[in-house]
Amino acid sequence: GAVVSQHPSWVICKSGTSVKIECRSLDFQATTMFWYRQFPKQSLMLMATSNEGSKATYEQGVEKDKFLINHASLTLSTLTVTSAHPEDSSFYICSARTTGTPNQPQHFGDGTRLSIL
Amino acid sequence: TQLLEQSPQFLSIQEGENLTVYCNSSSVFSSLQWYRQEPGEGPVLLVTVVTGGEVKKLKRLTFQFGDARKDSSLHITAAQPGDTGLYLCAGHTSGSRLTFGEGTQLTVNP
Repeated sequence: GAVVSQHPSWVICKSGTSVKIECRSLDFQATTMFWYRQFPKQSLMLMATSNEGSKATYEQGVEKDKFLINHASLTLSTLTVTSAHPEDSSFYICSARTTGTPNQPQHFGDGTRLSIL
Repeated sequence: TQLLEQSPQFLSIQEGENLTVYCNSSSVFSSLQWYRQEPGEGPVLLVTVVTGGEVKKLKRLTFQFGDARKDSSLHITAAQPGDTGLYLCAGHTSGSRLTFGEGTQLTVNP
């Protein structure tokens, strides 16, 4: 089946640091990738939709200057949390959808646990 | 207002019991997926349903899509401790956006 790789799986860093998270589709091309944030025992909250070769679409309330998204190729999207603070600590998950009809199921990475000290 | 309402949010049962998780909406979905997620991992797709009234079975799991494509259920027979996890329903509306339910945290005690 479709595989999505997310790296790193765990990051601990000091407040004020910028952190980059990578999301790769390993065996398929993904025109669209999605970035989610998840708090413990809660559902996934969509942060932004990443489209290859164009600007990301951010959900209401998500600061695009804070969460920079780049989708430079059909297999890679990156999320950079700039000047991270303790309130940015969370579980970040990406997903990718195969090209084709929009209703194709999404395949998820294993997430990145971000802890800001 | 949550587009997809999932219930119950928490469920703790004994091994061998049966359970049903519900996913309801006032919106029509072109397709609906069920995922299972374990702590520290991403959600894993269990099933996709697209046709109103559709029933799919995956071993001890039975998924049903409502006739009007507004609701779905997941039934687990003879639950096992390995079934413990967060179960998420997610649906596509007329657009391409995938909307998630609030999730059901299932704990199966041995």
